[in-house]
Amino acid sequence: SQQGEEDPQALSIQEGENATMNCSYKTSINNLQWYRQNSGRGLVHLILIRSNEREKHSGRLRVTLDTSKKSSSLLITASRAADTASYFCATWGGSGGSNYKLTFGKGTLLTVNP
Amino acid sequence: SAVISQKPSRDICQRGTSLTIQCQVDSQVTMMFWYRQQPGQSLTLIATANQGSEATYESGFVIDKFPISRPNLTFSTLTVSNLSPEDSSIYLCSVGRYEAYGYTFGSGTRLTVV
Repeated sequence: SQQGEEDPQALSIQEGENATMNCSYKTSINNLQWYRQNSGRGLVHLILIRSNEREKHSGRLRVTLDTSKKSSSLLITASRAADTASYFCATWGGSGGSNYKLTFGKGTLLTVNP
Repeated sequence: SAVISQKPSRDICQRGTSLTIQCQVDSQVTMMFWYRQQPGQSLTLIATANQGSEATYESGFVIDKFPISRPNLTFSTLTVSNLSPEDSSIYLCSVGRYEAYGYTFGSGTRLTVV
């Protein structure tokens, strides 16, 4: 079953603008991860934020996590046409029991227009 | 991180036949995961493949339809049996290393059933 719900489902922006995607989840987590998928191919891991972290940066990516609201956001700054892809959040519950699985949200389709 | 070689990248199959998808990892991993991504949808976990034991299937997926082999710590296959048009999807394998790292995905197999 889906854990995360991304918002918006689709986002279209101009090159150079910032893109913000949100993710909400339902159960407690060990960490939350963001992935990118180009044109229905394999997923690429972008960034991981642990449950005790509130913000993390990697290049043009900024991720925040609010465990009290069970939500996360991914900000891509100064977007490029090459950022056009689907973005998924995924939660990881930990190594105990059945929690080791990644559970994916529905994804946001980002289109960056040149 | 691990590198996964997934084959085939795409196939068109006749109704009633089967397709076997292979994933080869460049390092030994305990667990491999198989996902299905239906058109325009997110990823749904089919099963977890452990070396030396039966795969663990998620609700809604059964071994007769999705038999999995895991002969060693670097290789796994997923067979999609008795194909119907509803099986048209992208199938992906994945491996992960504990909670500190993101998961690595194969490049996906796009299956079309006609």
